[in-house]
Amino acid sequence: GENVEQHPSTLSVQEGDSAVIKCTYSDSASNYFPWYKQELGKGPQLIIDIRSNVGEKKDQRIAVTLNKTAKHFSLHITETQPEDSAVYFCAAIGTSYGKLTFGQGTILTVHP
Amino acid sequence: SAVISQKPSRDICQRGTSLTIQCQVDSQVTMMFWYRQQPGQSLTLIATANQGSEATYESGFVIDKFPISRPNLTFSTLTVSNMSPEDSSIYLCSVEGVPNTIYFGEGSWLTVV
Repeated sequence: GENVEQHPSTLSVQEGDSAVIKCTYSDSASNYFPWYKQELGKGPQLIIDIRSNVGEKKDQRIAVTLNKTAKHFSLHITETQPEDSAVYFCAAIGTSYGKLTFGQGTILTVHP
Repeated sequence: SAVISQKPSRDICQRGTSLTIQCQVDSQVTMMFWYRQQPGQSLTLIATANQGSEATYESGFVIDKFPISRPNLTFSTLTVSNMSPEDSSIYLCSVEGVPNTIYFGEGSWLTVV
């Protein structure tokens, strides 16, 4: 089955800096890669996603890149703000319809 | 995006008892998914629930422990049976929006004492 590795497990940045979280996946058939933000006491919120026919996608301060050859994808947050502090999860869907395999999560802390 | 409501949002339960979690979606969906998130951990798929058929369970999860119902296209329940402290987790319902876009509810935070 699919296996997703996520790094780093914790990331601390100063407000205004950029943050990058990286994930690798094992199943070359995977075709959908979402990123979720989970704030304390809440469920995961979809913040951006990318499909296997696209190399990069941006939404304001957030971008995701995908390298299918290397089987890795990354989340980029620019101009970080304290409200970006949360746990971020990457995930992948492979050949099993709708089944998400998650990375281990990254605790992002943005210091004012 | 789909609006997903879960009940209860939180509960504290005695060991040996069972709890049923409800998931209601604001639109008809073919498939609903139940995930577990243990304290400080990532999310793990428990099972996939299709309307009109038996749920499909992932490795390590069995129907006797986590029975699931899916009576219609907007509703599902997950029961956590004969609970032990190890079952203390967040249980999350999710659905597919546009093809392959998965949305989650706020979760049901369960503590077993």
